[in-house]
Amino acid sequence: ELKVEQNPLFLSMQEGKNYTIYCNYSTTSDRLYWYRQDPGKSLESLFVLLSNGAVKQEGRLMASLDTKARLSTLHITAAVHDLSATYFCAVVLFTSGTYKYIFGTGTRLKVLA
Amino acid sequence: DGGITQSPKYLFRKEGQNVTLSCEQNLNHDAMYWYRQDPGQGLRLIYYSQIVNDFQKGDIAEGYSVSREKKESFPLTVTSAQKNPTAFYLCASSVPGLRVSDTQYFGPGTRLTVL
Repeated sequence: ELKVEQNPLFLSMQEGKNYTIYCNYSTTSDRLYWYRQDPGKSLESLFVLLSNGAVKQEGRLMASLDTKARLSTLHITAAVHDLSATYFCAVVLFTSGTYKYIFGTGTRLKVLA
Repeated sequence: DGGITQSPKYLFRKEGQNVTLSCEQNLNHDAMYWYRQDPGQGLRLIYYSQIVNDFQKGDIAEGYSVSREKKESFPLTVTSAQKNPTAFYLCASSVPGLRVSDTQYFGPGTRLTVL
């Protein structure tokens, strides 16, 4: 069974600091996704990582993928309050002729002014 | 604008009632999904459908039912057999294959509360 684990589960950080969220998954997957969820809201797609060594950046967020280690990271640079949200990673599994998305537990980020 | 709509935004259910959550998309996506999210938790897959008139159980299908009569619509019924249905329900859609940069698109969600 494919498992996706994130750490930390909770992260409280000061504005201006850097930090990394980790996403480990237990079996091979064609790609990895990162999503953002604001409280009480739906999920917003941030990144799609398609291959080993893939790196994508948007503003203060940078995501990378190491398929050999089955590890993805989401790095936050010089955090600002607006980045406070819950971040989910997800992988896709091809099973029984269909694609299933398996989500991590989420990392709740709080950026303190 | 293309997107996914869910209704209602808030829903209250009495014990023993069946309720139906609506999900409609105009993205021309073949694949649609239903997830359940409990407070402080991740998403768990209830049902998914890759094409019209076909759907598969996800990890927590017990107490739920779906239909897929039209490409645009994938309603979820929460039956009285679901003993703890209070949660946030999210509908999503995607293209069925894995083309470059494909991702899931999510609706705004329905918050269901049992009275």
